[in-house]
Amino acid sequence: DADVTQTPRNRITKTGKRIMLECSQTKGHDRMYWYRQDPGLGLRLIYYSFDVKDINKGEISDGYSVSRQAQAKFSLSLESAIPNQTALYFCATSEKRTLAGVNEQFFGPGTRLTVL
Amino acid sequence: AQKITQTQPGMFVQEKEAVTLDCTYDTSDPSYGLFWYKQPSSGEMIFLIYQGSYDQQNATEGRYSLNFQKARKSANLVISASQLGDSAMYFCAMRGRYGGATNKLIFGTGTLLAVQP
Repeated sequence: DADVTQTPRNRITKTGKRIMLECSQTKGHDRMYWYRQDPGLGLRLIYYSFDVKDINKGEISDGYSVSRQAQAKFSLSLESAIPNQTALYFCATSEKRTLAGVNEQFFGPGTRLTVL
Repeated sequence: AQKITQTQPGMFVQEKEAVTLDCTYDTSDPSYGLFWYKQPSSGEMIFLIYQGSYDQQNATEGRYSLNFQKARKSANLVISASQLGDSAMYFCAMRGRYGGATNKLIFGTGTLLAVQP
């Protein structure tokens, strides 16, 4: 089974609809992240969470909200979807940063969201 | 501000040849880390290799090596003996002191590599 899973994998919705993307992990990591990927722009951080009680905005948080329901679950919501939120969304996890560690991020398979 | 620049939107390489993907970075942090990720057409992000700013030697992982030139602020990925399965998008990313406690990454725009038989 995959260590980081995302549901749904694909979603088409209409402008103004509320959408929730879910992420679950079995890696036991404290830290979780939501990114969006747009062609030509790379990945940009939306929100990140150190633990259940610690949630922080990334560089492009407007129009999004998140919920960390448990250590293993981190959900991203679009309260009122708009077409420019059409993108590939990734969830990622990492261990708590250590000075000597690589602490790479492990990514889920992505959710392709289309807002019409 | 921290920034990652990948100037090659796309590249071709012949199978079995070596290829270098360029990455330059800008940071004022004395301590930082550089990552390369691979994204095949299936979409997942696969971690390839890491270089810490204080590492004395260039990182290597199998056919992947990182040509780290600190003074020039470059961290190029070298893939030796290219294989058809290497065809993918490659992203360079940086974690600086600003992102250190949080492990946040800043990504470049990526290079699309096509390996030709």
